[in-house]
Amino acid sequence: GENVEQHPSTLSVQEGDSAVIKCTYSDSASNYFPWYKQELGKGPQLIIDIRSNVGEKKDQRIAVTLNKTAKHFSLHITETQPEDSAVYFCAAGLVRGSQGNLIFGKGTKLSVKP
Amino acid sequence: SQTIHQWPATLVQPVGSPLSLECTVEGTSNPNLYWYRQAAGRGLQLLFYSVGIGQISSEVPQNLSASRPQDRQFILSSKKLLLSDSGFYLCAWSTHAAGNTIYFGEGSWLTVV
Repeated sequence: GENVEQHPSTLSVQEGDSAVIKCTYSDSASNYFPWYKQELGKGPQLIIDIRSNVGEKKDQRIAVTLNKTAKHFSLHITETQPEDSAVYFCAAGLVRGSQGNLIFGKGTKLSVKP
Repeated sequence: SQTIHQWPATLVQPVGSPLSLECTVEGTSNPNLYWYRQAAGRGLQLLFYSVGIGQISSEVPQNLSASRPQDRQFILSSKKLLLSDSGFYLCAWSTHAAGNTIYFGEGSWLTVV
């Protein structure tokens, strides 16, 4: 089955700096890679996702890159702000037809210091 | 638009007592439904998923069970809670029409004392 490793487990950056979170996965059949942001006491919210036919995707200050050969993908947050502080989860899975399942990384606690 | 409701938001239950967490999804039909558990400081563990009414798949052996009595209703239950059942429980949904992206509810905090 799929196994997802996420690093680092904690990350502290200064406001305005960039933050990078990396994940690796084991199942080469996985074709869907979402990223979630979880604020304290709330459910995870999808912030960006990428599918295996795309190498990079951007949405304002957030970008995700995918390297299928190396089986790793990364989240990049530029010009970080205090409200970016949260726990971020990566996930990987095979989505096919009407079914799909995801395996999640253990999360990265990002702290942005003003 | 689709919404997901999960309740209760917080729950404190004694060891050995029963549990019932309920989740409903609105604005979509025939969703895949999921129950995840998140222990403190840890990742998301899939407990159950369902692709249709009465169809439940269990990912982890435990003293919890799930039921789907209606298309958009998913219930997590236990007959006798253990201390180790404490955690943050999340209901989620996905559909093929929505790209099979998984969307989470706001979660239920369960403390077993």
